[in-house]
Parts: sequence; structure tokens; C-alpha cells
Amino acid sequence: DAKTTQPPSMDCAEGRAANLPCNHSTISGNEYVYWYRQIHSQGPQYIIHGLKNNETNEMASLIITEDRKSSTLILPHATLRDTAVYYCIVRVAQSNYGQNFVFGPGTRLSVLP
Amino acid sequence: SAVISQKPSRDICQRGTSLTIQCQVDSQVTMMFWYRQQPGQSLTLIATANQGSEATYESGFVIDKFPISRPNLTFSTLTVSNMSPEDSSIYLCSAGSTDTQYFGPGTRLTVL
Repeated sequence: DAKTTQPPSMDCAEGRAANLPCNHSTISGNEYVYWYRQIHSQGPQYIIHGLKNNETNEMASLIITEDRKSSTLILPHATLRDTAVYYCIVRVAQSNYGQNFVFGPGTRLSVLP
Repeated sequence: SAVISQKPSRDICQRGTSLTIQCQVDSQVTMMFWYRQQPGQSLTLIATANQGSEATYESGFVIDKFPISRPNLTFSTLTVSNMSPEDSSIYLCSAGSTDTQYFGPGTRLTVL
């Protein structure tokens, strides 16, 4: 079973920041938080991951609370092409190459014009 | 990052037949995985494709139905055997990098 909970859906206005929350209250000390998204009819796309520090890349920012029990994915300027299902996953990384991911239902983000 | 391709991208098959899906990675990876995504659902792991040994299957999936091969570090196949309409899904290959996993575009299978 997925170890995360996410809202089933969210709307965001185009050009505004999209903030997608994720709860992972049972996360272990060696588990990372990963975010993927799946645009309709495509394979999941890696976005970002982090352990405890906030992370930023060209796609998004990941904010992890100090107790690591929740996190937020931020898309700073959402576009229509960001409409997708966003998955938050917790998983041990680097202890074994390519451990599988357990996908929950995710959050369906709709970016509105 | 790893670039993953799958063939075929989609197929329509008759009940009782089998389909083999190919997955090619552009770099050597230690582990590869196969997932299924049924209509309107999230992804479910079918098995881990192990190079040089038998695949490791998740609960509810068996080798007779979903035989998997992985002859080297960049290639794997998944066969969906004796298909029924319930097997209509998207089948996705993924490959592990040092600390993350990348996904192929998927194979959309329709069984009539």
C-alpha cells in the first residue's frame, strides 16, 4: 500500500503557483520523498525528490516539513501543460539501485485558463 | 537520466493470444520493472525483471501469465499470455538509476 495521502484533485489558474500537498506521517528516516507526474496517456515523468532539505530544479520545488511528515510540491508558474496526475511516493533510495515505487491514486491537477 | 522505449506502443489482440512487449533502455541499469495501469487506475507493479535470473513477481501476478525475460542490462520483455479482455491495460516498463526510476511511454493493450 502507498504510504502517502494526497487530495484527489486540485485546480490552479494558469500562471499561478500550484501547491500540491502530501502527507507521509509514517515516513522512515532513510526514506526519500519522490514526486512524479503522469500526463494523459504517457508514462510517469520524474519531477523531483528529497530527503529532508528543500529541493529545487528546473521543474519544481519540494518543501519538506521539519518533522518530515508532510511535503509540498510547488510548480511556480503553472501552465496548461502541467495538467496531470501528480504522485507523491516515499521510498528508500540508494540502498539498492532502482527499488520499485508504490503508486497511490495521486492528485489530479487541472490548470485552468 | 535514462531514456526508455517500448514496442509496440499499442496493440489490439484477440482473446486467447499472447503479446510480447519489448523495453529498451539507453544505458545500463541494475534493475528493471514492469507495471500495469488499468483504465482509470494508478500503476501496479507486476514484477522486477532480474538480469540473468527469474523475475520476482508481486502478489497476484504469476510467471505463467506474465513471463518476463531480461537477457542483458538494457533490455527486457514482458509477455501477456492467453489474453482476456480483463488484460486490457497500459503496460509500463521502468528502469532504475542510481537513486531514481524512469518510465517508458507504455504499451496500450486492448483485448477483444
